[in-house]
Amino acid sequence: DTGVSQNPRHKITKRGQNVTFRCDPISEHNRLYWYRQTLGQGPEFLTYFQNEAQLEKSRLLSDRFSAERPKGSFSTLEIQRTEQGDSAMYLCASSLEGQYGYTFGSGTRLTVV
Amino acid sequence: QQPVQSPQAVILREGEDAVINCSSSKALYSVHWYRQKHGEAPVFLMILLKGGEQKGHEKISASFNEKKQQSSLYLTASQLSYSGTYFCGVNSGNTPLVFGKGTRLSVIA
Repeated sequence: DTGVSQNPRHKITKRGQNVTFRCDPISEHNRLYWYRQTLGQGPEFLTYFQNEAQLEKSRLLSDRFSAERPKGSFSTLEIQRTEQGDSAMYLCASSLEGQYGYTFGSGTRLTVV
Repeated sequence: QQPVQSPQAVILREGEDAVINCSSSKALYSVHWYRQKHGEAPVFLMILLKGGEQKGHEKISASFNEKKQQSSLYLTASQLSYSGTYFCGVNSGNTPLVFGKGTRLSVIA
């Protein structure tokens, strides 16, 4: 078990470009979460999956954001037409269904210039 | 709604104790505690469930007052390795966690 893996670790993009991040959860975990974290703040919920089904999306998630989890394995988070306000650390976490702790990945730090 | 953590920051000398509080305006089903070191991912410390069940894997204790919708994390005999930002995450059912803004803990020699 290698934990939750996120790629890339860092991404610098120009405003208006599209970016895609990948998350590989712990294989036994059926829940996968995406959070966004800015400096000095706690993680903010974006969306989550149970197996391949996307169960909830935050109001923070504008229509420029889309997430997928094909076949209930890895997940991708895409941001279209990036804006400077999208600059943040994007964290992925996975857990077993029910009340168990989350295992977070190291995150993808996005900088929009 | 986002839980409120207090204090926002605390500085301790090695060996001292600290208490970090987390309160919510909504009825809680569970409270999670995580520690995040600078530049790293949050690491799970403990989960407290409605009804009193507690699951954790580090030598840190916590309490959960369901009536007051509050939880406290107790760090005793602090070590330098305890430094970091502590977050509570809460939910009202089997739903994703909502995290507080964090409490920054600094342990000095």
